[in-house]
This record gives sequence, structure tokens and C-alpha cells, in this order.
Amino acid sequence: DQQVKQNSPSLSVQEGRISILNCDYTNSMFDYFLWYKKYPAEGPTFLISISSIKDKNEDGRFTVFLNKSAKHLSLHIVPSQPGDSAVYFCAASARRGANNLFFGTGTRLTVIP
Amino acid sequence: DSGVTQTPKHLITATGQRVTLRCSPRSGDLSVYWYQQSLDQGLQFLIQYYNGEERAKGNILERFSAQQFPDLHSELNLSSLELGDSALYFCASTGGTVGNTIYFGEGSWLTVV
Repeated sequence: DQQVKQNSPSLSVQEGRISILNCDYTNSMFDYFLWYKKYPAEGPTFLISISSIKDKNEDGRFTVFLNKSAKHLSLHIVPSQPGDSAVYFCAASARRGANNLFFGTGTRLTVIP
Repeated sequence: DSGVTQTPKHLITATGQRVTLRCSPRSGDLSVYWYQQSLDQGLQFLIQYYNGEERAKGNILERFSAQQFPDLHSELNLSSLELGDSALYFCASTGGTVGNTIYFGEGSWLTVV
């Protein structure tokens, strides 16, 4: 049972425009959410996180929004750059410092120059 | 470079065989996680060790086992291999001091033929 879902397997965006990657979760106990970015032949790398006590967290060009009532979060990248082309994984856990993270299936972002 | 080292990077083996994947966590990290990524699948949590002891178990098959040694490196043993075990196996580590920001190695590609 996939508790974290990324329903869009791929997304293409023009350079300079906004990329919006979406993630839904089913477990209401999740209270900490993360985005990881993965390039081919590399392991996933941490990008940004958000705690359930917030609805927005921003780090440079990356902003994560959390809508707890809808069990939905999104990652916004503005402006998108060709180097952002990668697979983005959404992850969630039931508490900060929990034993494991539940990952989505990933969204492949392609930023077109 | 995440500081997590995995060997081998690539491995091809026949069905029914047994392989061992090795992971060295980041210096000082006590927790080691193993994840499996199959085609079109997200990252599936297999097992976690903390300072030598099993801490949590996920979707790990009985044919698979893991351990963490006193020097904190970990090994994932996969036996009676089947074609469906072909996947990218990631090791990750965390010291547990920065929430759930775990750091992934580059993965070990296992192909079962």
C-alpha cells in the first residue's frame, strides 16, 4: 500500500518557468515531509523539508507547501533551470527522527533550455 | 559526495545465487538504512540498524538479511535470488541529530539473470 503518492511520473517545463511537483499522502500520522532529488547513477540527495506545524518552507528557488487538510504537499521551483532536471522523490515520516521514511514513486522533471 | 559508500556499484548474478552488498555510513553516523528501488517503484524501505542492532524492519523478504558490525558498516545479504530482485539497492545513514535528513549512497545495481 503506497502511503505516499506522486501521481505524475514526469513533468516538462521551460527554463525560467515554474516547476510544480505534487505529492499526496494517506497516513494522517505523517508530520514531517521531505523532498529528495536524484540524478542518474547517484543516490538521492536531500533538498528541502517541512514540519506539519508549518504550511510553507522556502530555501532559495525551492519552496515546499503543505496542505494538511488535503494531505497534499507540493514543491515549487522558481525559476527552473536545466540543472534541475532530475527525479524528485517526496518522503514522509510519522515523527521527526522516526525509523524510516515512506517515499513516493518519484517524478522525473525535465527542464527544457 | 554524501559520505556514504556502497560496494559493489554493479553486480550481475544468476538466479538462485547469493550476494552481499556492503555499506559504510558517514563518519559518526550510527543509523544505517537499506532501501530498494525497482523499475517504476519508489524507494522501498527494507531495514534499519542503529549502533549494531536492528531498529526497524520494512518490506524485506525472508530471503534477505542484514547486519551492522561494530565498526558501523553494514551488509545486506540477498539469497536464492530471483529475477524480480533486480533493482538498485541504496544504503543511507544518519546520526539522528538533524531530524529525518538521511544521506544516501550511490547505490548498488543488482541484475539477476
